Amino acid sequence: AQSVTQLDSQVPVFEEAPVELRCNYSSSVSVYLFWYVQYPNQGLQLLLKYLSGSTLVKGINGFEAEFNKSQTSFHLRKPSVHISDTAEYFCAVSAKIKAAGNKLTFGGGTRVLVKP
Amino acid sequence: EADIYQTPRYLVIGTGKKITLECSQTMGHDKMYWYQQDPGMELHLIHYSYGVNSTEKGDLSSESTVSRIRTEHFPLTLESARPSHTSQYLCASSRGGTETQYFGPGTRLLVL
Repeated sequence: AQSVTQLDSQVPVFEEAPVELRCNYSSSVSVYLFWYVQYPNQGLQLLLKYLSGSTLVKGINGFEAEFNKSQTSFHLRKPSVHISDTAEYFCAVSAKIKAAGNKLTFGGGTRVLVKP
Repeated sequence: EADIYQTPRYLVIGTGKKITLECSQTMGHDKMYWYQQDPGMELHLIHYSYGVNSTEKGDLSSESTVSRIRTEHFPLTLESARPSHTSQYLCASSRGGTETQYFGPGTRLLVL
């Protein structure tokens, strides 16, 4: 089984400032890692994913994340946020085994509020 | 861009009513999923399907049921709605052999 912990439930940040959202996971097998964003009253949109290879992953809207296997972390960063980045961000994992069927386990979410 | 649709987007209904939440995707994905998300909370998998005539219960126990008669359609039914069913329900799909799930816009259900 897998579990995901997002260490910050809310992150207020000023416009054009950097932001980092922390995500740690626990799993007995290797996992794929994902960050999704949810804007108000909408579904989830994939920001980026780590499957294999380079541990630094670049996604849409200027976001990037770094996979750290030894620390079982997958923190999300953006060097300069915009008002439009105000949203809920979810970290998720799925087990790298076929029997898992791509099922996702989500963290509790981090609400980012960008202030002018 | 993913093409996955959910209807209705919002539903207010009285206790005891039967409801069906619709989910359709036009991408030919074989895997489909239903998640439940309470306000400000994480998503929990309640049902999934690996293909036509295949349905399984997810990690979170749910009184809802699902069916998968056609590849593109994965409806969720509550036979008798209760206030405890008030939540947001998100549908997702993925293609076999890939890892990325694509999500619909969700249905917000309020049971009075």
